[in-house]
Amino acid sequence: QVQLVQSGAEVKKPGASVKVSCKASGYTFTGYYIHWVRQAPGHGLEWMGCINPNSGGTNYAQKFQDRVTMTRDTSSSTAYMELSRLRSDDTAVYYCARDHPSDVRVSFDYWGQGTLVTVSS
Amino acid sequence: EIVLTQSPATLSLSPGERATLSCRASQSISTFLAWYQQKPGQAPRLLISDASNRATGIPARFSGSGSGTDFTLTISSLEPEDFAVYYCQQRSDWRTFGQGTRLEIK
Repeated sequence: QVQLVQSGAEVKKPGASVKVSCKASGYTFTGYYIHWVRQAPGHGLEWMGCINPNSGGTNYAQKFQDRVTMTRDTSSSTAYMELSRLRSDDTAVYYCARDHPSDVRVSFDYWGQGTLVTVSS
Repeated sequence: EIVLTQSPATLSLSPGERATLSCRASQSISTFLAWYQQKPGQAPRLLISDASNRATGIPARFSGSGSGTDFTLTISSLEPEDFAVYYCQQRSDWRTFGQGTRLEIK
């Protein structure tokens, strides 16, 4: 069965960086984009960007362009999202989700369980 | 960036009633729209993709319609487990989400 399993909760100080992992199983990792979405407490969903695990190509939302880096390791079917220069308003649950690059019916059909990142001094 | 505007922000209805949720795009997105349901403490769940295609395992009381800039999610007869927050998302120009509609019990 398809699963996306994320790394555990993190507590970081302002100005630090955080790296969250998303390990995929049950499907061909290189056949689907991995997207990262965050949700601040009490707020809605915010798309951060995505990576094509096949090519390693990325696309980032403009808001995060200068602070986010998405990478992947095809040998372990794991995607990573690193956010730098953390601020208190980066406190959120970070999710990974997959979708198919061309089959529009396969949109974010599987999600990770979420990783809580808390930024606090 | 394509902006999605959902209305209403909150919808108060009773079980058995019909729910109609709207999503408007700032420019035409053809049918590249999905709907998700999110309950507290859970990841979102895909309900509808490509504007009207129900995802695997989603009950038939959920339906989606629309194209271009105006889209609707309809729940024909609300069950107690349907009270949640609903988000629309476009994939015409990368991805963005609407701000959500909270469906609450009246």
